Amino acid sequence: EPEVTQTPSHQVTQMGQEVILRCVPISNHLYFYWYRQILGQKVEFLVSFYNNEISEKSEIFDDQFSVERPDGSNFTLKIRSTKLEDSAMYFCASILYTQYFGPGTRLTVL
Amino acid sequence: AQTVTQSQPEMSVQEAETVTLSCTYDTSESDYYLFWYKQPPSRQMILVIRQEAYKQQNATENRFSVNFQKAAKSFSLKISDSQLGDAAMYFCAYRSTLAAGNKLTFGGGTRVLVKP
Repeated sequence: EPEVTQTPSHQVTQMGQEVILRCVPISNHLYFYWYRQILGQKVEFLVSFYNNEISEKSEIFDDQFSVERPDGSNFTLKIRSTKLEDSAMYFCASILYTQYFGPGTRLTVL
Repeated sequence: AQTVTQSQPEMSVQEAETVTLSCTYDTSESDYYLFWYKQPPSRQMILVIRQEAYKQQNATENRFSVNFQKAAKSFSLKISDSQLGDAAMYFCAYRSTLAAGNKLTFGGGTRVLVKP
């Protein structure tokens, strides 16, 4: 069964550093998403991406965040200058009829 | 904006018994989707069940079933014959059919504990 994959599974970084989280969505899916889950809290929408552009973004998705689909298969989330409060689980998802989630990347900002 | 509320932070159930998780949502739309996702300790988000709002029949998936009350904006999940592997966080989620990005809006989650 096709699945969404994410790398790395765990990323540790220093505050102020840039990080890139990578996702490979399911190949025939059209919409791609990033969600965030701070430990112990609910899953929050960050951004959706369709036809090589952002279709919707939340208030969380400020200028420090960007997304890209550089090569037609990978889908990346970049955080330019990480803050302590960016520590969270980041999920990639893609959709045909139902959203399928990747296993997540745990980001720890020290 | 749509909101999803799960009023039970935690529910405990005896193995082989039945537990029902509550979810209410607020929307002005008439067509939408509702989901239950399971999040075990690994934190992977696993789809449990899906309901289309235009369908009157409640969705079922093996031991999992929903009670969808559209007028009351209620979407509860029943887990029958609970197993130890059912222990997890369960999130209710809403998706509009109108919005271009079709994002999911999640509730705060209910932790299910299964006692052997």
